[in-house]
Amino acid sequence: QVQLQESGPGLVKPSETLSLTCTVSGGSITSFYWSWIRQPPGKGLEWIAYRYYTGITSYNPSLKSRVTISIDTSKNQFSLKLSSVTAADTAVYYCATGYTDFDHWGQGTLVTVSS
Amino acid sequence: ELVLTQSPATLSVSPGERATLSCRASQSGSSNLAWYQQKPGQPPRLLIYGASTRATGIPARFSGSGSGTEFTLTISSLQSEDFAVYYCQQYNNWPSFGQGTKLEIK
Repeated sequence: QVQLQESGPGLVKPSETLSLTCTVSGGSITSFYWSWIRQPPGKGLEWIAYRYYTGITSYNPSLKSRVTISIDTSKNQFSLKLSSVTAADTAVYYCATGYTDFDHWGQGTLVTVSS
Repeated sequence: ELVLTQSPATLSVSPGERATLSCRASQSGSSNLAWYQQKPGQPPRLLIYGASTRATGIPARFSGSGSGTEFTLTISSLQSEDFAVYYCQQYNNWPSFGQGTKLEIK
């Protein structure tokens, strides 16, 4: 059973870059598509990006100019960078498997954007 | 851009009764419709994919149906653990989620 765990700073200052890592266990990073999804407090879900280890990548058009998703096959990890953050980027960030649907999820990590 | 509209926003149902949740897509063309259950403080859990296929370990009381632009999640006999928020999600160029339906105890 594949398991995912998000890690990264819980507090980011406005205009800086949010960086998160998802560590995969119980499965290979080459076996799935990998996605990032976020959920502002008390609100719904928003898909951010997905990537496959071959380099296939897709970004949410509303975030595309600020987002980078990458994979490190040697560490069985994938990462998210979101630049120029504002308070509107405050959310629980989840990593998940898949792209047409998402069947394994991490527990999520709350990232707050505040000075 | 694909927009998914879920109704109702809140549904009040008594345990043991049937619950019917709806999801309408602004565009037709994909059967890649999924349903998720989310409880407070937990990540979403995949219930249904491909509009009607139950995910691994999902009880048979959960069923999905629909095609085109109209989709339905039915929970045949509500258990206490089923009261949660439910999201639909579709892939059409990129993944999109509905705004959610909160299923509460009547």
